[in-house]
Amino acid sequence: KQEVTQIPAALSVPEGENLVLNCSFTDSAIYNLQWFRQDPGKGLTSLLLIQSSQREQTSGRLNASLDKSSGRSTLYIAASQPGDSATYLCAVSGSARQLTFGSGTQLTVLP
Amino acid sequence: DTAVSQTPKYLVTQMGNDKSIKCEQNLGHDTMYWYKQDSKKFLKIMFSYNNKELIINETVPNRFSPKSPDKAHLNLHINSLELGDSAVYFCASSQLTGGRNTEAFFGQGTRLTVV
Repeated sequence: KQEVTQIPAALSVPEGENLVLNCSFTDSAIYNLQWFRQDPGKGLTSLLLIQSSQREQTSGRLNASLDKSSGRSTLYIAASQPGDSATYLCAVSGSARQLTFGSGTQLTVLP
Repeated sequence: DTAVSQTPKYLVTQMGNDKSIKCEQNLGHDTMYWYKQDSKKFLKIMFSYNNKELIINETVPNRFSPKSPDKAHLNLHINSLELGDSAVYFCASSQLTGGRNTEAFFGQGTRLTVV
């Protein structure tokens, strides 16, 4: 059964820093991996989707990488801003045709 | 336009009541899901429908019954509500292409509080 782990559980950084969030999964037979952002009391906003055949995807200040064979993904956020404060969730999709989520990393960017 | 919308956003009800949460997507997707987010913020799949047919039914009490009148709608009905049902319920949709799910989009969530 697929399990997804996100480290760290919480992260606090000063504004302007570059940071990396980590995601690992136990079953490398995935179809794709998706990073989401969740603001308090809100829904999930899709940030990036990486197909299993891809190594990375970029959107603005965000860059997500995927190493399927080792079961790892990272989300790199450049020049962090207070507005980036949120919980970041990693989820993988495979033959089970559902998203399996990690428990998230709660990011706080201090002004 | 909201891609995935669910109503109500907040639901407070007494134990033993029956309630429904509605979900609609306007993305033309053929697959819809219900996820439950517990107090520790962990998201877990409950149900998935593809073209109105149930394809995933995780270990969920049979007090929970999903209904999909068409592929744009997936409603969740809960009978005999219990305190432990209190959580945030998220609806989501994606497209199943070649046996694989495309990018998933989520609704804003329904915060259910059972008192």
